[in-house]
Amino acid sequence: DIQMTQSPSTLSASAGDSVTITCRANQTIDPWLAWYQQKPGKAPNLLIKRASILDDGVPTRFSGSGSGTEFTLTISSLQPDDFATYYCQQYDNYYPGTFGQGTKVELK
Amino acid sequence: EVQLVQSGAEVKKPGESLKISCEASGYPFTAYWIGWVRQTPEKGLEWMGIIYPDDSDTRYSPSFQGQVTISVDRSIRTAYLQWSSLKASDTAIYYCARARSVYDSPGVFAYWGQGTLVTVSS
Repeated sequence: DIQMTQSPSTLSASAGDSVTITCRANQTIDPWLAWYQQKPGKAPNLLIKRASILDDGVPTRFSGSGSGTEFTLTISSLQPDDFATYYCQQYDNYYPGTFGQGTKVELK
Repeated sequence: EVQLVQSGAEVKKPGESLKISCEASGYPFTAYWIGWVRQTPEKGLEWMGIIYPDDSDTRYSPSFQGQVTISVDRSIRTAYLQWSSLKASDTAIYYCARARSVYDSPGVFAYWGQGTLVTVSS
């Protein structure tokens, strides 16, 4: 099974900060990596697919990068609306996807 | 507008059966895989499986193979997630979801239902 490990589990930051979340896979998954944002009581919202492609309507302050087994999500200039939990997900055509355990971005 | 509307919250006892639904609208139902995702506080998000409504081709995560059944009814544009014997550990929020485009991998989810809370308790 492909395992996904996110770090950190919690990230304290202020509005305006730039933050980076890391996701590591236990085997190569390039480029089948997605990032989601989830707010309490809501379904996840797809931000990035194929490691670096922003989904429709996602602000450009979100960016994704990486390859092989290590990937990052960067939020430049955090906005109040960005305080949420973020998940990475590996996926491939028809192969079971796996989510990371999540990173909560909270107000410092 | 693509919409996935799920059935309401359920409270069940261990050993009971359950079938929850996800009604799709706003797109050609048989053209897109629909997936199911479980969420618990302990384990977070878990990818359960996907189904292709056109021919009911279904792929399960090994963790959920044999534990649940995913199906569709094309006549009413609805996907289902079913248990034959619930356990307390099935208590979770369950989401149905779909990729944005037919050119995307079916396992990356841009459209989501609102979630169905399933509580299993004696």
